[in-house]
Amino acid sequence: SQQGEEDPQALSIQEGENATMNCSYKTSINNLQWYRQNSGRGLVHLILIRSNEREKHSGRLRVTLDTSKKSSSLLITASRAADTASYFCASGTGANSKLTFGKGITLSVRP
Amino acid sequence: EPEVTQTPSHQVTQMGQEVILRCVPISNHLYFYWYRQILGQKVEFLVSFYNNEISEKSEIFDDQFSVERPDGSNFTLKIRSTKLEDSAMYFCASSLYQGNTEAFFGQGTRLTVV
Repeated sequence: SQQGEEDPQALSIQEGENATMNCSYKTSINNLQWYRQNSGRGLVHLILIRSNEREKHSGRLRVTLDTSKKSSSLLITASRAADTASYFCASGTGANSKLTFGKGITLSVRP
Repeated sequence: EPEVTQTPSHQVTQMGQEVILRCVPISNHLYFYWYRQILGQKVEFLVSFYNNEISEKSEIFDDQFSVERPDGSNFTLKIRSTKLEDSAMYFCASSLYQGNTEAFFGQGTRLTVV
């Protein structure tokens, strides 16, 4: 697999449920960032976790990072229909902070 | 809230033509990037830019591509002679610092080469 691979590739849940999305990466990173993309539109930055951090919260979002397993997870609690989107993890590496994106997870939240 | 803006939102061009995609990064940001996303594929890094110089570029960013910061606010991506395979969504991004900092993306320009 390549840097920044997410799973599952698609996730369908009922409104109110929690959504957990996972991401794996291959090389050492400076940080791991999660983005949301609505239907072919722009990338909205959700949260950044640094390589020396293990967990971070922002509103209904909780992200974890396990550098020993080279993996991260994004949890969206109490999902809403408006959370329906594609979610990407992107690993930040190198001095120039180049981001390497995964293929993305399509989340559908049914009302 | 400050945001990265890109124009145009959609550009259709004939193969072989030159295109310039424009971006206005967040005003106090110092680092600028271009990425692209071919339909159904991953977002790919093209180039990073700081202090009027390219910091890093990918293999995709060949001699057909160039970037410029012509004034204090705009950041442009030029494709000299477009090919069909250049059709993609092009995203501009900016960040305040280098390293462990968020990169904020624009809404993208959808380039269609016919």
